[in-house]
Amino acid sequence: DTEVTQTPKHLVMGMTNKKSLKCEQHMGHRAMYWYKQKAKKPPELMFVYSYEKLSINESVPSRFSPECPNSSLLNLHLHALQPEDSALYLCASSHLGIGANVLTFGAGSRLTVL
Amino acid sequence: DAKTTQPNSMESNEEEPVHLPCNHSTISGTDYIHWYRQLPSQGPEYVIHGLTSNVNNRMASLAIAEDRKSSTLILHRATLRDAAVYYCILRDVKGAQKLVFGQGTRLTINP
Repeated sequence: DTEVTQTPKHLVMGMTNKKSLKCEQHMGHRAMYWYKQKAKKPPELMFVYSYEKLSINESVPSRFSPECPNSSLLNLHLHALQPEDSALYLCASSHLGIGANVLTFGAGSRLTVL
Repeated sequence: DAKTTQPNSMESNEEEPVHLPCNHSTISGTDYIHWYRQLPSQGPEYVIHGLTSNVNNRMASLAIAEDRKSSTLILHRATLRDAAVYYCILRDVKGAQKLVFGQGTRLTINP
């Protein structure tokens, strides 16, 4: 299995809703990433997990709450979002340690906040 | 993080070679040069990476300048499916966890 699977593909939510995005990989990767991508812009790093521990938080607002329950799963919990949070959310994974550590990306979850 | 500079856009014709340049004058000795591309409505996908020597794989070739301050991604025979945004990114070999995207080059392929 060489894929990163993200669900749902599309999500529409109101500003008072609580929802979650899910990401799964079975490549034995021990680093997992969340990126946010607005239209016509490059992906922006949000969070990095290494060995299931949060290692990088790029000053993301607390209405985004990541979780890594095990080495194969990564969640992004969403609460009280704003319309400007509408974007494509990309999950990725890679090996850790010395080396190139190429990232494998999922197809993304497209979020619309009304 | 060391930065890269790429042209905003490039255009080429189908079945012709394409050379995508990238400048990285502040590259450190432990930085790998990675290339990813993002096709419309998809997540980014890995293309190729290198450290010092030129590299070839089934998708592309990577030519790295001797001083490592620039590199060129070469698509030998472009197809319409190669139309994408191409990102040149530096990533530290010492297990660093960040992969930071620059603006990339939007490649258009004409039939």
